[in-house]
Amino acid sequence: AQKITQTQPGMFVQEKEAVTLDCTYDTSDPSYGLFWYKQPSSGEMIFLIYQGSYDQQNATEGRYSLNFQKARKSANLVISASQLGDSAMYFCAMREGDTGTASKLTFGTGTRLQVTL
Amino acid sequence: EAGVAQSPRYKIIEKRQSVAFWCNPISGHATLYWYQQILGQGPKLLIQFQNNGVVDDSQLPKDRFSAERLKGVDSTLKIQPAKLEDSAVYLCASSLMGLHNEQFFGPGTRLTVL
Repeated sequence: AQKITQTQPGMFVQEKEAVTLDCTYDTSDPSYGLFWYKQPSSGEMIFLIYQGSYDQQNATEGRYSLNFQKARKSANLVISASQLGDSAMYFCAMREGDTGTASKLTFGTGTRLQVTL
Repeated sequence: EAGVAQSPRYKIIEKRQSVAFWCNPISGHATLYWYQQILGQGPKLLIQFQNNGVVDDSQLPKDRFSAERLKGVDSTLKIQPAKLEDSAVYLCASSLMGLHNEQFFGPGTRLTVL
């Protein structure tokens, strides 16, 4: 089974509108972390937001928020007030294990977001 | 604070040739990762170092890929001999232990094998 599933290969959103990018995950580890990264056409991976499996509240970072539904194993990224500069690939990733040990990220296949005027 | 540095940014080689990529992580970051990102896919971990020791190289094709991190700072990833399917972006990342282990990525090296 895929550990990280992103079912939307591409999404369009109008400028100033909100958009939700879907991510579901699969793990049997009770301790894990979920990340969202943005990858513009330049290629660099830019960290956006993090959610720990034991965090009680949904993470927020400026215009980014993470809709974490643990029972459904989903961690959707919500971008509010979209801007043209938000056009990029977005990757959901998971770290299994607690924060005491650095461990690899497993990435999904990504969603390409296009913001239109 | 300087970010993760990688060189070269682009490389074009013929199949069966060898190539090497260099990465300098953020100062003080003990953990260093090499990822391979094939076009249209998410990054896949090739190897992870903790200081100068290998933590995970389970997905590294060891018959042709090698990596080292001497002195626990910068790292080199080598492919010898290259195959057409090695065409990809090679991303280096580094992280601190603790907190949520956010990984900081370099700009990547885009390899084209002809």
